[in-house]
Amino acid sequence: QVQLVESGGGVVQPGRSLRLSCAASGFIFSTYAMHWVRQAPGKGLEWVAVTSYDGSNKYYADSVKGRFTISRDNSKNTLFLQMNSLRDEDTAVYYCARGKYNSAWYLCYFDSWGQGTLVTVSS
Amino acid sequence: EIMLTQSPGTLSLSPGERATLSCRASQSVSSSYLAWYQQKPGQAPRLLIYDASSRATGIPDRFSGRGSGTDFTLSISRLEPEDFAVYYCQQYGSAPPTFGQGTKVEIK
Repeated sequence: QVQLVESGGGVVQPGRSLRLSCAASGFIFSTYAMHWVRQAPGKGLEWVAVTSYDGSNKYYADSVKGRFTISRDNSKNTLFLQMNSLRDEDTAVYYCARGKYNSAWYLCYFDSWGQGTLVTVSS
Repeated sequence: EIMLTQSPGTLSLSPGERATLSCRASQSVSSSYLAWYQQKPGQAPRLLIYDASSRATGIPDRFSGRGSGTDFTLSISRLEPEDFAVYYCQQYGSAPPTFGQGTKVEIK
């Protein structure tokens, strides 16, 4: 069955960096667009970023553009999120999610989710 | 960016009752590309409905979705104890994909 397992979260000071990973199994990873979605404590869901199946195209939410970088290693079935210049408002549980689309590859609903990894930005 | 507004914020019902949740978009959602998710405390969201009315794999038929344009509805015909949770709608008709703020279905 589809499994997505995030790791790399933790406590980090404002302005510092963190790299999240998501290990995928149970499906052909290299054929799916993959996303990061986050959820601040007690709040709703916010889409963060997407990478195409081969990593050649990426889109970001305005709130993270220029600070976060999504990437993937299809040889290792792993998705990454490099987070730089972290801010207090980046504190959230970060989920990786598999995308399914009907029209454009970046316009997806999310049919499988990981359990999430908590990132806390605090001095 | 399309904003999604869910109502009510909280729905207090008893097991066996029918739940009707609303999701209204700030502009028309292309091709009814709207999904619904269920989230329980401490868990990841779970896909219930996609393309406004198609049930995801393994989702019981007491869950149904309908709507088009700017108005969408998720109905739960008879609430089971495991259905008490927070529900989110999400549009994927235009970039960026966006979520509603959620409706909490709680036990009355």
